[in-house]
Amino acid sequence: DQQVKQNSPSLSVQEGRISILNCDYTNSMFDYFLWYKKYPAEGPTFLISISSIKDKNEDGRFTVFLNKSAKHLSLHIVPSQPGDSAVYFCAASLYYGGSQGNLIFGKGTKLSVKP
Amino acid sequence: ETGVTQTPRHLVMGMTNKKSLKCEQHLGHNAMYWYKQSAKKPLELMFVYSLEERVENNSVPSRFSPECPNSSHLFLHLHTLQPEDSALYLCASSQDTGGNSPLHFGNGTRLTVT
Repeated sequence: DQQVKQNSPSLSVQEGRISILNCDYTNSMFDYFLWYKKYPAEGPTFLISISSIKDKNEDGRFTVFLNKSAKHLSLHIVPSQPGDSAVYFCAASLYYGGSQGNLIFGKGTKLSVKP
Repeated sequence: ETGVTQTPRHLVMGMTNKKSLKCEQHLGHNAMYWYKQSAKKPLELMFVYSLEERVENNSVPSRFSPECPNSSHLFLHLHTLQPEDSALYLCASSQDTGGNSPLHFGNGTRLTVT
């Protein structure tokens, strides 16, 4: 059973608009969440993270929101640019006492930003 | 060269072959990982090495054998693989194995077992 779920395999957005990528998790012990971006023929690259003591973290055009009660997080990209077209992976881990060995990934959402 | 480098980028092998995947990181990190990405499945952790010691083995079949001779190099030795082992194999490194150390991935080796 998947502990980290990205229920939308794909998302298409117009350039300049907001992209919202969603992620749900089932393990309430997760306390650190990360987003990775992957271009074709490249490995995933770290994008942004958030710890469970926060409900929002912002870095430029990228903002991650965490709703612990709903076990839900989302990544907002504003404004979206064609270069943002990639597969986005949500991942969760145990920050305290955990390790990257406990990093659990979702299946990914493919974002297409159309000019 | 910077980052995490994996070779080869593509590999086709028969079920009776023996081959090795190589990973090198130039980031001064202490932890290295092998991940497997199969079609329509999440990234799956295979092995974790911290300071050249294996700290995790996620029930990976023995036909996959990792080797970490030093903190900058990681190998995955392959023998008698099955067609279902065809996948993208990703190497990653991080500063340490703490849960808040982001992973830095290589570009992967696309493996096809015939």
